[in-house]
Amino acid sequence: EAQVTQNPRYLITVTGKKLTVTCSQNMNHEYMSWYRQDPGLGLRQIYYSMNVEVTDKGDVPEGYKVSRKEKRNFPLILESPSPNQTSLYFCASSLQTSTDTQYFGPGTRLTVL
Amino acid sequence: AQSVAQPEDQVNVAEGNPLTVKCTYSVSGNPYLFWYVQYPNRGLQFLLKYITGDNLVKGSYGFEAEFNKSQTSFHLKKPSALVSDSALYFCAVRDPGSNYQLIWGAGTKLIIKP
Repeated sequence: EAQVTQNPRYLITVTGKKLTVTCSQNMNHEYMSWYRQDPGLGLRQIYYSMNVEVTDKGDVPEGYKVSRKEKRNFPLILESPSPNQTSLYFCASSLQTSTDTQYFGPGTRLTVL
Repeated sequence: AQSVAQPEDQVNVAEGNPLTVKCTYSVSGNPYLFWYVQYPNRGLQFLLKYITGDNLVKGSYGFEAEFNKSQTSFHLKKPSALVSDSALYFCAVRDPGSNYQLIWGAGTKLIIKP
């Protein structure tokens, strides 16, 4: 089944404790992206990747890191999480660009205390 | 600045009635416009998009959207609402100023009452 998977689905952590949210797709997509969803703000892009080893900042990259060492994986790293990073995070992938149909993962709900 | 607006936080419609979810945009050049839907506890799913051609775009689950260049709008419509259409709907537009990434509206919660 074609899908985007994210882990963990739920995470409660404390300020400053490094964490990684994994994202993997099995559709051989070139494009991958991370978003955060906050009430009243819609989706805001954190980082995106057009291909392996190519990543770019989105609208809200501060406090986040990403890597794209393999085509299928695009982990999101929070090196020192803060409470303002409490949010619902989505990974998405598409064939080549942001305007191709994006397939979203199920989301990761992160709470930083 | 490029932007997309969904002026209604929530839309309530009776089952069987037509529904409209509004979206307006401001972007330079030719707009690429999208609608996605988010069902409870799920990721977003693509509904439809407008890039060029016919102003009326048909999409998944019986939805359609009309591109209106003079009003800079891209409203989502369905002739007869189903209770299962209840979800959060997002409009998005490609932003040439952000390296052609999408900018997203805040979302409109659609509630269909039996």
